[in-house]
Amino acid sequence: QVQLQESGPGLVKPSETLSLTCTVSGDSVSSATYYWSWIRQPPGKELEWIGYFYYSGSTNYNPSLKSRVTISVDTSKNQFSLKLTSVTAADTAVYYCARVKRYCSSISCYPNALDIWGQGTMVTVSS
Amino acid sequence: QSVLTQPPSVSAAPGQKVTISCSGSSSNIGNNYVSWYQQLPGTAPKLLIYDNNKRPSGISDRFSGSKSGTSATLGITGLQTGDEADYYCGTWDSSLSAKVFGGGTKLTVL
Repeated sequence: QVQLQESGPGLVKPSETLSLTCTVSGDSVSSATYYWSWIRQPPGKELEWIGYFYYSGSTNYNPSLKSRVTISVDTSKNQFSLKLTSVTAADTAVYYCARVKRYCSSISCYPNALDIWGQGTMVTVSS
Repeated sequence: QSVLTQPPSVSAAPGQKVTISCSGSSSNIGNNYVSWYQQLPGTAPKLLIYDNNKRPSGISDRFSGSKSGTSATLGITGLQTGDEADYYCGTWDSSLSAKVFGGGTKLTVL
């Protein structure tokens, strides 16, 4: 049974860096079949894609967050991490990690369905 | 403003059928697979439908998905009070090179 678990500080000060880790059990972050991704959801609002990491080292980030986001992987711990710099109150949200199926057409590959989600962790940006 | 457009809310009586629409464009729904997610209150989203119309193992056949052109639809039959949740559609947007979601639809079972 595949499980994902987010961890990290629940409170971050404005202008500082938000850092979260997702620990994967029952699968490997080195799998060629999946992307490993972060999604967030501000209170009462819709889901927002943050980005993904693929085992080959490739990454993809939401254009609206790209200048502030880094997603990386620690294969020795079977974890992947999110760093979001220069946070403001607008970054207050529940942050989810998820496993994403990889779909490849004759032209390119892209993230398909998010089939396994972590339970989510609330991060508040406040002084 | 979400890239994919969903109705904010739908409602129906127990035992009835409801459909939730998701409208996009040729850069997203028109050329990529659609998935649907159920988010019960206070919980993480759960995959309901993938590849437009496929159900993961363990998902009831009361849930169905379809796609036509640049729109997709989630159908739920035999409504139960336990189906009350927010439902989101999602797909890849080839122009944005990003995963996009709808704004979510709140289902109320009257």
